[in-house]
Amino acid sequence: AQKVTQAQTEISVVEKEDVTLDCVYETRDTTYYLFWYKQPPSGELVFLIRRNSFDEQNEISGRYSWNFQKSTSSFNFTITASQVVDSAVYFCALSEAIRKAGTALIFGKGTTLSVSS
Amino acid sequence: DAGVIQSPRHEVTEMGQEVTLRCKPISGHNSLFWYRQTMMRGLELLIYFNNNVPIDDSGMPEDRFSAKMPNASFSTLKIQPSEPRDSAVYFCASSPPGQVNYGYTFGSGTRLTVV
Repeated sequence: AQKVTQAQTEISVVEKEDVTLDCVYETRDTTYYLFWYKQPPSGELVFLIRRNSFDEQNEISGRYSWNFQKSTSSFNFTITASQVVDSAVYFCALSEAIRKAGTALIFGKGTTLSVSS
Repeated sequence: DAGVIQSPRHEVTEMGQEVTLRCKPISGHNSLFWYRQTMMRGLELLIYFNNNVPIDDSGMPEDRFSAKMPNASFSTLKIQPSEPRDSAVYFCASSPPGQVNYGYTFGSGTRLTVV
């Protein structure tokens, strides 16, 4: 069965610190997709990134970077020079095949990041 | 693009009452998902439609929950009768054909409180 584990329930940092959010996944599929979503205090779910299982290149987008390692089944997310606006709950998710008709996202429990000034 | 539209944003109802949550997916998206978010269980997939057909409803908690998608632009999630433990935020999401390449767009959610 597919599973996503975000072991860090809560993380608190001071502005400008770097922070890494961990994500470990389990799947028997050879083709799968990984996602990160952000849920700010306002409650909406904001898409950040997707990565397919064949692309292990790390990705950087501004202060955000992602490290995908199939060998350890991890897809970690790093925020460099954190800001107060980064305070949110971050979810890692895995796409799961459902009856070969498509996929649905399986989410981890989320990591609450608090950035103080 | 108006995004995925959910209504109402907030719903407070008494135990035993029927509750209907509504979702309008993004035009052109052919997959629609209903999720429920609680503190204890996180984000759980309830049901998933592809081309208006329910594909997997194994996440629906019990017979009190039902979902329909009568056309490509509208879906409902109904709880009858509602119970306090149904209190949660319910999200609807949609994705286009070739969905895994594009991700999923979520609505703003409906916060349901059953008292």
